[in-house]
Amino acid sequence: QSVLTQPPSASGTPGQRVTISCSGSSSNIGSNTVNWYQQLPGTAPKLLLYTNSQRPSGVPDRFSGSKSGTSASLAISGLRSEDEADYYCAAWDDTLHGPAFGGGTKLTVL
Amino acid sequence: EVQLVESGGGLVRPGGSLRLSCAASGFTFSSYEMNWVRQAPGKGLEWVSYISSSGSRIYYADSVKGRFTISRDNARNSLYLQMNSLRAEDTAVYYCAKDYGCDYWGQGTLVTVSS
Repeated sequence: QSVLTQPPSASGTPGQRVTISCSGSSSNIGSNTVNWYQQLPGTAPKLLLYTNSQRPSGVPDRFSGSKSGTSASLAISGLRSEDEADYYCAAWDDTLHGPAFGGGTKLTVL
Repeated sequence: EVQLVESGGGLVRPGGSLRLSCAASGFTFSSYEMNWVRQAPGKGLEWVSYISSSGSRIYYADSVKGRFTISRDNARNSLYLQMNSLRAEDTAVYYCAKDYGCDYWGQGTLVTVSS
């Protein structure tokens, strides 16, 4: 049982826009910023977005994020086959004193 | 370029011990908090432990409290995780991750607890 809640799966066709939600509580998303990670098959997670919506260097602007209250979302526009991966949200949790992770969303590009 | 390289994983029997290491380079290690995060086969990410930049603040997930010990050697740019009383449910790939926000990750080291 993960601290943050994400849908287990999402899908879309090439070129489409998909969104992935992430729900938390006042001790994590409600009081701290959200990061998103992309994990390609067989590789380590990679930071995709930080501070709710900021993109590290090299991340395409097709990826965007937002946060409202105790929820956050990741949007991917112009979906491409190489976006097929697992996506995780995370936020520092003031009760855990560590990062709380979502259970992950497996994105399939049809 | 930030690099984190974990080592020390392997096969261990239930009740056994293992010490993981994470060698850091490409940034001022002593200035950053660090985390250990694990991923059981086919499962999601689970935070394991946090250590502040000086080592003065340490936190653990309830699932490992009392069994695992995180530490760091800033002179050697290294992070450690001493794992005792290992259980089958500790089987996972263990990643070290830089900063409280986990902005960089190592490639992971596999720990398998099995008889």
